[in-house]
Amino acid sequence: GAGVSQSPSNKVTEKGKDVELRCDPISGHTALYWYRQSLGQGLEFLIYFQGNSAPDKSGLPSDRFSAERTGGSVSTLTIQRTQQEDSAVYLCASSLVGLAATDTQYFGPGTRLTVL
Amino acid sequence: AQTVTQSQPEMSVQEAETVTLSCTYDTSESNYYLFWYKQPPSRQMILVIRQEAYKQQNATENRFSVNFQKAAKSFSLKISDSQLGDTAMYFCAFMSPLSGTYKYIFGTGTRLKVLA
Repeated sequence: GAGVSQSPSNKVTEKGKDVELRCDPISGHTALYWYRQSLGQGLEFLIYFQGNSAPDKSGLPSDRFSAERTGGSVSTLTIQRTQQEDSAVYLCASSLVGLAATDTQYFGPGTRLTVL
Repeated sequence: AQTVTQSQPEMSVQEAETVTLSCTYDTSESNYYLFWYKQPPSRQMILVIRQEAYKQQNATENRFSVNFQKAAKSFSLKISDSQLGDTAMYFCAFMSPLSGTYKYIFGTGTRLKVLA
């Protein structure tokens, strides 16, 4: 079946503008994760959704970052008043259950965000 | 807090040779999971291999195997018979179900180049 998809693939924006990044998880996967990959860095956890539970937002770097997941499927990561340090690749992943410790996370191809 | 360290930013290996990528981690927990992901230039993160900490036997997947040393908190990846398609960034990741979430903690990656 189809894998995790993300859109747009690339996004260039001006400092101070808002951006929305979209993630479509694998159908039937109840857990969804957002990570940020900055140049030369590993992946940094941002937020985690599991079913109808309250999301784990502990990784969001500031209140300019928010995310929602509608209908338990598609998720949107919003960055308000973008700054140059927000430039990175934003990766989304999903897993089948999210509560089983051996769940494998399947990643999308990411959105490369460039803030000018 | 858990940390993951990959001390080799870049490595190269001749085609058909064997290469070992190192990963160390720090945790006080006894139950956790370790992963190696491959990220080719397409940015798509692909699971290479995973290891449950409670299993003493090292995981293997075809040409990929790990050397898991729990006491030393070491989790190295061995790639045998290297192929040009193995050229990619390799990330080591840690996950503990006891943390209350199922996020991965990633190292900064090792860029592997397989030479013809």
